[in-house]
Amino acid sequence: DAGVIQSPRHEVTEMGQEVTLRCKPISGHDYLFWYRQTMMRGLELLIYFNNNVPIDDSGMPEDRFSAKMPNASFSTLKIQPSEPRDSAVYFCASSFLTGGAWSGELFFGEGSRLTVL
Amino acid sequence: TQLLEQSPQFLSIQEGENLTVYCNSSSVFSSLQWYRQEPGEGPVLLVTVVTGGEVKKLKRLTFQFGDARKDSSLHITAAQPGDTGLYLCAGGRQGAQKLVFGQGTRLTINP
Repeated sequence: DAGVIQSPRHEVTEMGQEVTLRCKPISGHDYLFWYRQTMMRGLELLIYFNNNVPIDDSGMPEDRFSAKMPNASFSTLKIQPSEPRDSAVYFCASSFLTGGAWSGELFFGEGSRLTVL
Repeated sequence: TQLLEQSPQFLSIQEGENLTVYCNSSSVFSSLQWYRQEPGEGPVLLVTVVTGGEVKKLKRLTFQFGDARKDSSLHITAAQPGDTGLYLCAGGRQGAQKLVFGQGTRLTINP
């Protein structure tokens, strides 16, 4: 079975450029989460979706960041314009319901390592 | 504010030794999870504990949830190089559909 698929795995760009990260969740999962990981701040939740609807975007750093989920099998995280402090590994994770409630279990992709010069 | 504090942050030991890492909070969680992350990969769920005092075993790994559901520990017996990685604890709250992650313990097992 395919897990969560993220692309690109690595992205190097220059300050001011637009960056788009992509995620395909596990089929049948109802939840999709975007996290950012850095050495200094650890794993931070940016935004999550339930049934393609954004539920909590309180972790999105600022207006330069936006996320969409046009359908159940695809999500994007966009940074425009990018800055050097955005350099991090960005993870997408999906999750599912069990017994009508959120299972609490996350399945992570392999991450997209972003370097902004 | 880091709601989940993990200790130690770094641990390097020899193969065959035992170790314990800790995950502490002043807050109560309805569930506590442990993940392991290897370089270049995403975190992988190891275990979920939900009951105060609960103990779960996964081969040489023993996980315990504190009686008050504010803390947890992970004990590894006879550590092996394959145990090397970043161990993350994550707490969930009743009704909240998101997890709070600790900063992680970076474990290195030397052959």
